[in-house]
Amino acid sequence: DIQMTQSPSSLSASVGDRVTITCRASQGINNCLAWFQQKPGKAPKILIYAASRLQSGVPSKFTGSGSGTDFTLTISSLQPEDFATYYCQQYIGYPLTFGGGTKVEIK
Amino acid sequence: EVQLVESGGGLVQPGGSLRLSCAASGFTFSDHYMDWVRQAPGKGLDWVGRTRNKANSYTTEYAASVKGRFTISRDYSKNSLYLQMDSLKTEDTAVYYCARSQIVDGSRWYFDLWGRGTLVTVSS
Repeated sequence: DIQMTQSPSSLSASVGDRVTITCRASQGINNCLAWFQQKPGKAPKILIYAASRLQSGVPSKFTGSGSGTDFTLTISSLQPEDFATYYCQQYIGYPLTFGGGTKVEIK
Repeated sequence: EVQLVESGGGLVQPGGSLRLSCAASGFTFSDHYMDWVRQAPGKGLDWVGRTRNKANSYTTEYAASVKGRFTISRDYSKNSLYLQMDSLKTEDTAVYYCARSQIVDGSRWYFDLWGRGTLVTVSS
């Protein structure tokens, strides 16, 4: 199985901050990586797919990068609605696997 | 409106069975891979299984933790996805989400639409 490791597991940031979350795959996954945002009590929402492609309707303050084993999600200028938990997920092979999540909290 | 709506969750005893449903609307159901993903209380996301699209004969894949106990199926006439869960264990307690997958780069599929989920509690 491909293990997905996210870091940090949580972070505190202020409105207006730039935030970067890292995701590492235990083996190469090309660009087969998606990022999701989940707010409490809600379903996950797709942000980024194919490592760097922005899902339609998602604000451009979210950017993804990386290929192979190392990936990042960057949120520029954090806003109150961005405080949530973020997950990465690989879709190159079965079982499909998620990172453990990064909780972004208000400082 | 493009949406997925799950139903069928509830309380069941260990060893029991439950069938979840996911009603799809607003898109061509047969074109997409469809998945079930679960989330135990306070935990992360955990993929359960997948059924491929009509072009790929609706074949299925399962996580090792549920293989042999859970079965995914579709009813084309009702645009519905199902998850039959047998021999349930306490560790199956979770919110179960139905997710649509969208093709990218010709052969890969990523989750682009999620339902709101339905809670399954396995407890005596």
